[in-house]
Amino acid sequence: DQQVKQNSPSLSVQEGRISILNCDYTNSMFDYFLWYKKYPAEGPTFLISISSIKDKNEDGRFTVFLNKSAKHLSLHIVPSQPGDSAVYFCAASPIIQGAQKLVFGQGTRLTINP
Amino acid sequence: EADIYQTPRYLVIGTGKKITLECSQTMGHDKMYWYQQDPGMELHLIHYSYGVNSTEKGDLSSESTVSRIRTEHFPLTLESARPSHTSQYLCASSEGGRTTNEKLFFGSGTQLSVL
Repeated sequence: DQQVKQNSPSLSVQEGRISILNCDYTNSMFDYFLWYKKYPAEGPTFLISISSIKDKNEDGRFTVFLNKSAKHLSLHIVPSQPGDSAVYFCAASPIIQGAQKLVFGQGTRLTINP
Repeated sequence: EADIYQTPRYLVIGTGKKITLECSQTMGHDKMYWYQQDPGMELHLIHYSYGVNSTEKGDLSSESTVSRIRTEHFPLTLESARPSHTSQYLCASSEGGRTTNEKLFFGSGTQLSVL
């Protein structure tokens, strides 16, 4: 049973336009959500996060939106740049003390076309 | 950013060999993790540690074992590698404390291929 789902395996966007990556989750115990970016043969790097007490968090070109009632979050990148081409993973963390046991989605491969 | 190092980056070995994947971090983080990832799939937690002498199995069953004798070191060992172990192995760490809202810092990963 996959608790975090990224239903689009790939997305292609024109340079300068907005990229929107989506993520759905099923576990209502998740209270913290993160986006990671991953290049081939590299480890994931942290991009942006959001707590369940917020519905939006912005950091430069990156904005994450959280809709708790729909159990849905999205990552907006604007304007998109060629260096944004990578695989993006959505991750969620439950309300449990102790080790940060993140649950990851399958990833969405974003390609920015010049 | 946290400094977390994995060696080797790539490893090709034959079936039945014993291997150890190294992971070290210099941030003094208490918590360390091993994830396994196949192309197009999610990252699966296979081991984690709260601190020295603490190791726990993750959500995905794995034939590998880990040890945590020093805070900065969290090696993963496969006693007898098989082709089904072919995957990318990612080590991560996070700060200790009671907060649950922590981000993980990942190493560059080890791409393991077992022939």
